Amino acid sequence: DVKVTQSSRYLVKRTGEKVFLECVQDMDHENMFWYRQDPGLGLRLIYFSYDVKMKEKGDIPEGYSVSREKKERFSLILESASTNQTSMYLCASRPLDRGRSTDTQYFGPGTRLTVL
Amino acid sequence: AQSVTQPDIHITVSEGASLELRCNYSYGATPYLFWYVQSPGQGLQLLLKYFSGDTLVQGIKGFEAEFKRSQSSFNLRKPSVHWSDAAEYFCAVGGYNKLIFGAGTRLAVHP
Repeated sequence: DVKVTQSSRYLVKRTGEKVFLECVQDMDHENMFWYRQDPGLGLRLIYFSYDVKMKEKGDIPEGYSVSREKKERFSLILESASTNQTSMYLCASRPLDRGRSTDTQYFGPGTRLTVL
Repeated sequence: AQSVTQPDIHITVSEGASLELRCNYSYGATPYLFWYVQSPGQGLQLLLKYFSGDTLVQGIKGFEAEFKRSQSSFNLRKPSVHWSDAAEYFCAVGGYNKLIFGAGTRLAVHP
């Protein structure tokens, strides 16, 4: 079974702090994703990485950056956390599939981040 | 523009009743369609997916979905709901290098 793990289930940070959310997958998948989930908005893509050190902006990249130094690990960074970044963050991975998304994405359990 | 619409934000059904969750998509090319479920406190789990072929797709946990190109729909169905089906359900279409999700439908199941 594919396993995608996220470093924290719940996180509370203060405005202005630098925040790291970590995601690790154990299936040697090339592609990894960070989504943000908000009520009534579904999931929105923040960033995606199609290989080590490769990244592309998603639909809502502002205020976020990412790092992919190893194939299994994909980090989401909030450079200076703000209250409007309070949300659920979901990481996902899938095998290499450039172009149309035909392959299943496998999701981690999510990190609920609260910024005070 | 590519989009997915789930018209029902909340649905409540009685245990044992049938269920249909609606999903409409807007996509220029042949759509690749997915249904995911998110149980409380969990990540998303794939229920089923459609790429081509038979328009009636069987998934896990007794769910099925039917692709209707003429209606741009991919509705999810289950003949008899169990209390453990209470969750949030997301429809998605496969776009370029990403999934485009609907806003989700939260399902409550009454005993």
